[in-house]
Amino acid sequence: QVQLQESGPRLVKPSETLSLTCTVSNGSISRSYWSWVRQPAGKGLEWIGRMYTSGSTKYNPSLESRVTMSLDTSKNHFSLKLTSVTAADTAVYYCAREASDYNTERGYYYYMDVWGKGTTVTVSS
Amino acid sequence: EVLMTQSPATLSVSPGERATLSCRASQTINYNLAWYQQKPGQAPRLLIYGAFTRATGIPARFSGSGSGTEFTLTISSLQSEDFALYYCQQSSNWPRTFGQGTRLEI
Repeated sequence: QVQLQESGPRLVKPSETLSLTCTVSNGSISRSYWSWVRQPAGKGLEWIGRMYTSGSTKYNPSLESRVTMSLDTSKNHFSLKLTSVTAADTAVYYCAREASDYNTERGYYYYMDVWGKGTTVTVSS
Repeated sequence: EVLMTQSPATLSVSPGERATLSCRASQTINYNLAWYQQKPGQAPRLLIYGAFTRATGIPARFSGSGSGTEFTLTISSLQSEDFALYYCQQSSNWPRTFGQGTRLEI
C-alpha cells in the first residue's frame, strides 16, 4: 500500500520560504495526482494545491502568488514551496494522493485516499 | 469558491446510537463529495467518496448519501472509536474546499 512521508524544516523565519518534501513509498509517483493540505492548530483543513505527474498544477487562489509545487520522479517525491511566510502559515502540513474514479451515474469524481502523517511547521523568529 | 457548511458543529451521542451528520454545498457538486474522519494528532482518513462509496477497510456502519448540494454521513451504531472530527470535502470545483467539521462526542 502506498505510503507518504512529509519532511522538511520544522521552524521557518518570517518572510523566508517554507520548503517541504513528500516521499512516496510502496508505489510509483507516476500517473497520479499529488496534493498538499494544511491545518492550523485547532482549526480546519485548507487545501493548498495539487499537481499531476505531467507537471500541471492547480493552486488555491488564496495562496497562489506564494506557492510552487514540483515533482521529482527519479526520487519518487514531490515538493511544496511557500514564500514570504508569516505566523499565519504556522500549521500541520499534510501531503496526500488525490485519486479519481468514473462511472456513468456519477461522472468523474476525486478524493484524497492516502495521506501522510503530517509535519508541524512553525513560523517564528 | 464552493462553500461547504457542516451541521451540527458538535453532535453529542451515546455508543450504540445512530449519528447523522450533514454537509451542504453552496452550489451543485453532483457526487463529488468525500467524508474524512480525523482523530487528535492524526491525519484525516478517507471514509466515503463519490458521495456514497465506502473507502477500503471502512466498516459498513458508515454510509453516505446525497447529491447536488445536500449530503449526509450516517453512522448506524456508534462505537467508541468513532468519536472524532468529521470533515466533508468537495472535488467538483477549484479550489478544493472542506467543511468546518463536525465533532462527534459522547
